[in-house]
Amino acid sequence: GENVEQHPSTLSVQEGDSAVIKCTYSDSASNYFPWYKQELGKRPQLIIDIRSNVGEKKDQRIAVTLNKTAKHFSLHITETQPEDSAVYFCAAMYSGGGADGLTFGKGTHLIIQP
Amino acid sequence: EPEVTQTPSHQVTQMGQEVILRCVPISNHLYFYWYRQILGQKVEFLVSFYNNEISEKSEIFDDQFSVERPDGSNFTLKIRSTKLEDSAMYFCATRPRANYDGYTFGSGTRLTVV
Repeated sequence: GENVEQHPSTLSVQEGDSAVIKCTYSDSASNYFPWYKQELGKRPQLIIDIRSNVGEKKDQRIAVTLNKTAKHFSLHITETQPEDSAVYFCAAMYSGGGADGLTFGKGTHLIIQP
Repeated sequence: EPEVTQTPSHQVTQMGQEVILRCVPISNHLYFYWYRQILGQKVEFLVSFYNNEISEKSEIFDDQFSVERPDGSNFTLKIRSTKLEDSAMYFCATRPRANYDGYTFGSGTRLTVV
């Protein structure tokens, strides 16, 4: 089955700086890679996703890059703000064959220092 | 914005008892899922459900667990003979159709087995 590794487990950055979180996956068949933000005690919320036919996607201060050959994908947050503080999870999935459960990474606790 | 509704928000049960967790999916969504998150850990896939049958299940989803959609609206997860290690946050998730659509997670049910 799929295995997703996520690094770092904790990331502390100064407000206004950029943050990068990296994930690798094992199953070359995976074709959908979402990122979720989870605040303490709340549900995971989708912040951005990327399909395997695209190398990069951007939404305002958030971007995701995907390298299919190396089987890794990254989340980039620019101009970080205090409200970006949360746990971020990457995930991978093969979508389209009936087996469509997401495999999550272990999460990155992002801390924005004022 | 449409939401996935879960009840109860918190359930405390005695070890060995049965519990039923309930989810009301977004009305036009066709794919339904249960995930669990042990405190401080990653989100783990349990089961996916489509067209009134299980389409995929993980190793965690053993004979102790079952799912159904008895009345066409509620989607339930039943845990028979609960164990201490079943204590976790259980999230229901739904999505409208196959192929690349993002999940919408419910707010979760915190299950505490004592």
